[in-house]
Amino acid sequence: KAGVTQTPRYLIKTRGQQVTLSCSPISGHRSVSWYQQTPGQGLQFLFEYFSETQRNKGNFPGRFSGRQFSNSRSEMNVSTLELGDSALYLCASSSTGAVTLETQYFGPGTRLLVL
Amino acid sequence: GQQVMQIPQYQHVQEGEDFTTYCNSSTTLSNIQWYKQRPGGHPVFLIQLVKSGEVKKQKRLTFQFGEAKKNSSLHITATQTTDVGTYFCAGPGRGSTLGRLYFGRGTQLTVWP
Repeated sequence: KAGVTQTPRYLIKTRGQQVTLSCSPISGHRSVSWYQQTPGQGLQFLFEYFSETQRNKGNFPGRFSGRQFSNSRSEMNVSTLELGDSALYLCASSSTGAVTLETQYFGPGTRLLVL
Repeated sequence: GQQVMQIPQYQHVQEGEDFTTYCNSSTTLSNIQWYKQRPGGHPVFLIQLVKSGEVKKQKRLTFQFGEAKKNSSLHITATQTTDVGTYFCAGPGRGSTLGRLYFGRGTQLTVWP
């Protein structure tokens, strides 16, 4: 099975712009979670989608949004970019998102640099 | 809110020495998961512990889950340069936050040849 794929892998934007990141989960997986990783804050949960519905949301401002399509692919969008949004954005997929039972498989991430 | 703390933040060892990282949760966990992230890479799942007092081994790696299910440790015996990376523990949320993982800050392991 192919792993989790994320596009693009690297991105450079300027403040005020917006960005859309894409994640394709492992085939058959219906849950996609997004995390932001920075040296200062570590891995922070953004949100989780299952069957096109957002089930969980972390403590991030409304500039961060996401969606999931019927094929389980997910996108996250960050509007009005700030310097502090520079980070590695990781998505993780699992079969049902039941983290009490299932392994989450991480993609390679999208490294975003905001100038 | 729920927190997962991990120490030490950094560990430098000579090849052949042992390494241990400790994880502590502010709440009782249903399970604890460990991940490894190589430099420039992404977190890769290592193991999940579910039972109180559980001990699991993967070759030179030994994982323990505390009796109270609030702490855990990862011990590597006789480190090798291939062990280099950051080791994270993570616990699932509870109640309204079920379905998300709370990660520790990780322990970055450097191994000198």
